[in-house]
Amino acid sequence: EADIYQTPRYLVIGTGKKITLECSQTMGHDKMYWYQQDPGMELHLIHYSYGVNSTEKGDLSSESTVSRIRTEHFPLTLESARPSHTSQYLCASSGDSQEKLFFGSGTQLSVL
Amino acid sequence: GQSLEQPSEVTAVEGAIVQINCTYQTSGFYGLSWYQQHDGGAPTFLSYNALDGLEETGRFSSFLSRSDSYGYLLLQELQMKDSASYFCAIYTGGFKTIFGAGTRLFVKA
Repeated sequence: EADIYQTPRYLVIGTGKKITLECSQTMGHDKMYWYQQDPGMELHLIHYSYGVNSTEKGDLSSESTVSRIRTEHFPLTLESARPSHTSQYLCASSGDSQEKLFFGSGTQLSVL
Repeated sequence: GQSLEQPSEVTAVEGAIVQINCTYQTSGFYGLSWYQQHDGGAPTFLSYNALDGLEETGRFSSFLSRSDSYGYLLLQELQMKDSASYFCAIYTGGFKTIFGAGTRLFVKA
């Protein structure tokens, strides 16, 4: 079944640690996105990619980085996590209809 | 700039009809989307309106008036499982989808 997967679902780590949030999709979509969402708030775009080796920063400034070496894989990395990075991170993809986003279940990150 | 306004909370009873409004301001506009998100879950796409008028999908309908920069989501025959947050979002082209802050819907028995 075509889907979009994120791991881990929950992550609690200490300040200064390096982390990578994984995102994979089996829908064959070229476009992938990372959104950040705080409780009860809107989603903010932090990164997007139009395809392999294409990555751009979104509207919300983020200290995270992303890579797109394979079409199906779009990991997000924080080199040194801080408490201000505590948030939910949602990965999404879209096909030819870019207005329709498919989301993963998200990673709830807590940095202590 | 770009902004969306929607109510923060709506409460309704099971079996009733509820309307969630969304007004927006944007310099570029292709269409209005609605997403549903249950607590701890992923946002799921409900509808997209590019043209004025009403689009119906089962119990859910979505309306757009481009001249009024206004849309709404209509949920009929409410069920307990409809309790969730509902986000309106404007698609402004390319990679850009701008989300509202969401409306939390509580369905009571």
